[in-house]
Amino acid sequence: KAGVTQTPRYLIKTRGQQVTLSCSPISGHRSVSWYQQTPGQGLQFLFEYFSETQRNKGNFPGRFSGRQFSNSRSEMNVSTLELGDSALYLCASSLDGLQETQYFGPGTRLLVL
Amino acid sequence: AQSVTQLGSHVSVSEGALVLLRCNYSSSVPPYLFWYVQYPNQGLQLLLKYTSAATLVKGINGFEAEFKKSETSFHLTKPSAHMSDAAEYFCAVSDPGPASKLTFGTGTRLQVTL
Repeated sequence: KAGVTQTPRYLIKTRGQQVTLSCSPISGHRSVSWYQQTPGQGLQFLFEYFSETQRNKGNFPGRFSGRQFSNSRSEMNVSTLELGDSALYLCASSLDGLQETQYFGPGTRLLVL
Repeated sequence: AQSVTQLGSHVSVSEGALVLLRCNYSSSVPPYLFWYVQYPNQGLQLLLKYTSAATLVKGINGFEAEFKKSETSFHLTKPSAHMSDAAEYFCAVSDPGPASKLTFGTGTRLQVTL
């Protein structure tokens, strides 16, 4: 069974731009979560989607948004990029999110200049 | 709120020596606890998971962890370190309820020397 895939793997953007990251979960998984990883703040939860609905949200500004499609694929969008948004963005999928094991993708490394 | 504390941001051991990575948790309910490993430029890989079925949990690559409620700990161990174990290790606790999220510790970088 294929693992979680994320595209693109690397991105370079400039301040003020917006970016969209994509995540394809493991087949059959309906829950997709997003995490931001930075050297200073570590791994922080962004949000979780289940059946196309945001079910849980972390403490990030409204510039960070996401959505999930009917095939469980998810996208994350960051608008008006700031230098501090430079990070590794990790996507994780699980069957239904009910304390199930989350399986992580390789991440998208975003650099904001 | 759930929280996890990992003692020691860097741990160095000799090849063949015991690996011990410490994790303490805070949770208002019986927790689900996880250990993940991250190799350079990669995502997180699950090592093992505690779900209250057994206090001693065996994972992949020879790692295991013991849940001790009285000490609120979930330390990760491996009897004999291998060079390939060099990586960053994260302990995490899962929120209870229908929309679980993982709260991670700050990570421990394991160095294995000859």
